[in-house]
Amino acid sequence: DAMVIQNPRYQVTQFGKPVTLSCSQTLNHNVMYWYQQKSSQAPKLLFHYYDKDFNNEADTPDNFQSRRPNTSFCFLDIRSPGLGDAAMYLCATSRGASGYEQYFGPGTRLTVT
Amino acid sequence: AQRVTQPEKLLSVFKGAPVELKCNYSYSGSPELFWYVQYSRQRLQLLLRHISRESIKGFTADLNKGETSFHLKKPFAQEEDSAMYYCALSGLGNFNKFYFGSGTKLNVKP
Repeated sequence: DAMVIQNPRYQVTQFGKPVTLSCSQTLNHNVMYWYQQKSSQAPKLLFHYYDKDFNNEADTPDNFQSRRPNTSFCFLDIRSPGLGDAAMYLCATSRGASGYEQYFGPGTRLTVT
Repeated sequence: AQRVTQPEKLLSVFKGAPVELKCNYSYSGSPELFWYVQYSRQRLQLLLRHISRESIKGFTADLNKGETSFHLKKPFAQEEDSAMYYCALSGLGNFNKFYFGSGTKLNVKP
């Protein structure tokens, strides 16, 4: 009964080649988040959707985009991956605004060659 | 700037010993504090939050606003507690701000 699903679990892409990571949820939560986590570092929030409202963090590079076509799905698009974008990407959901538990997916490990 | 600090990258204790994972925060508003845990090859999951004031798997954490700390404690560590622990902060009324600390790896030795 997986609740937050991320596909693929491992993704290898070439430098500069666009890549899309996928997240889906069965919780019917309003909020979906994307985090980037590099080795031995804290997960860093990139952006989130509250329903259809997109909220970008101020320091998220323009190279990162997101789409949420419906409640269940959210995508992370990296338009031109650089070597520095190699990381674990975590998707999370929550029922509502601050104070709500976030439910995490297993993550997608992105390698850039 | 809002920030969550976990000063220890690694904490090793023997089974049965007390454990304290430190977390300090800096936030100008009203924070809500959480502890998340990631066991080996599992996803990140909530362990406890300060607002619920509950004990989960024997762990407790008290929010000390004077010292701006939210340390995680357990009186007797078990081997199955070995995991990565992250302290996290959310700003009440400012929900698009959610900050994680860099994590502490707890290793409980037999």
